[in-house]
Amino acid sequence: EVQLVESGGGLVKPGGSLRLSCAASGFTFSNAWMSWVRQAPGKGLEWVGHIKSKTDGGTTDYAAPVKGRFTISRDDSKNTLYLQMNSLKTEDTAVYYCATLGVDYWGQGTLVTVSS
Amino acid sequence: DIQMTQSPSSLSASVGDRVTITCRASQDIGIDLGWYQQKPGKAPKRLIYAASSLQSGVPSRFSGSGSGTEFTLTISSLQPEDFATYYCLQHNSYPRTFGQGTKVEIK
Repeated sequence: EVQLVESGGGLVKPGGSLRLSCAASGFTFSNAWMSWVRQAPGKGLEWVGHIKSKTDGGTTDYAAPVKGRFTISRDDSKNTLYLQMNSLKTEDTAVYYCATLGVDYWGQGTLVTVSS
Repeated sequence: DIQMTQSPSSLSASVGDRVTITCRASQDIGIDLGWYQQKPGKAPKRLIYAASSLQSGVPSRFSGSGSGTEFTLTISSLQPEDFATYYCLQHNSYPRTFGQGTKVEIK
């Protein structure tokens, strides 16, 4: 059974940092392009960024609102995806999903709240 | 960036109705488009990939069409479990972009 389990969400003050993790199982994680997608409360879906598989170069791409503040990385030995979020803003408040958009596997999401 | 303009933003329909949702891309994306269904508190689920291919396990009442800049998702006969929010997503170029969503409500 495929599972993507996010963790690391919580309450953080503006300007703070947080690292999300996404533990994958049930598929060949090292071959997958992995994405982060977020959804602010009551709003639509927003693509945050992704990381290619190492065999495809392991490169990352980001949406403009997070570029320079967020970093996506992966540890294929641990089947885990990460999202390092720095300089957080109130508008980063959202449920963050990890996903493999190519084959449509999604986690359950983890809530990040940025508030003073 | 490619903008995805989805319409309508919401609609009310009855069980059995035919429903059509449209996404328009700001530039040619070929068939690099998927349609997603999301229910409250749940992760999205893809219904259609490559603009018109039905995802495995998805009922055949869902269909997609279009290419280039104009795309449609059609539900041929709306069922109670179809009341949800629907999104398109282009994966032709970076950044990937979603449409704004269409909330399908019970009339």
